[in-house]
Amino acid sequence: AQTVTQSQPEMSVQEAETVTLSCTYDTSESDYYLFWYKQPPSRQMILVIRQEAYKQQNATENRFSVNFQKAAKSFSLKISDSQLGDAAMYFCAYRRFNDMRFGAGTRLTVKP
Amino acid sequence: DADVTQTPRNRITKTGKRIMLECSQTKGHDRMYWYRQDPGLGLQLIYYSFDVKDINKGEISDGYSVSRQAQAKFSLSLESAIPNQTALYFCATSDGTSYNEQFFGPGTRLTVL
Repeated sequence: AQTVTQSQPEMSVQEAETVTLSCTYDTSESDYYLFWYKQPPSRQMILVIRQEAYKQQNATENRFSVNFQKAAKSFSLKISDSQLGDAAMYFCAYRRFNDMRFGAGTRLTVKP
Repeated sequence: DADVTQTPRNRITKTGKRIMLECSQTKGHDRMYWYRQDPGLGLQLIYYSFDVKDINKGEISDGYSVSRQAQAKFSLSLESAIPNQTALYFCATSDGTSYNEQFFGPGTRLTVL
């Protein structure tokens, strides 16, 4: 079974600085999708960014970007110009067909 | 109004009780999912349904059952709740396109005493 590993249970960043959250996954497949979800204290799961494995170009959504390294099976999330509202749990997820797997999450704290 | 709603938002019950968690969506999606979230484990798929006549087990379906009453409604039942089913439960929907992006409800926090 595919597994998703987030090796950083907690991360901290100063407001306006940049932080990178790590994610690695294990798969023998070549076509799949990767996602980063944000879960603030409200508990709502919010999609931050997504990447299709066939696309070499890294996805970008405003202050959020990814570094997708397919050969290394790595999918890190970079948050630029961090804001207090970015404080949340962040989950990396892998999907192939009906199988969606989530990592255990990284709790991000933003210091003013 | 929220696209995916879950009721109740919080529930405390006792061991052995039957409990139903309900999910409704107005997104018009055919696909619906139930996940369980435990601290340190991320989300795990319990059941999923691609249409009213289609029900599939996920990775942790034991102790749970589901009912897809209509395209917009997908219920999760615990026939006889036990304490280790204490968790946060999420319903999600997706449109089945290439990304098959999932849209989540607000979650139900269930405590089994």
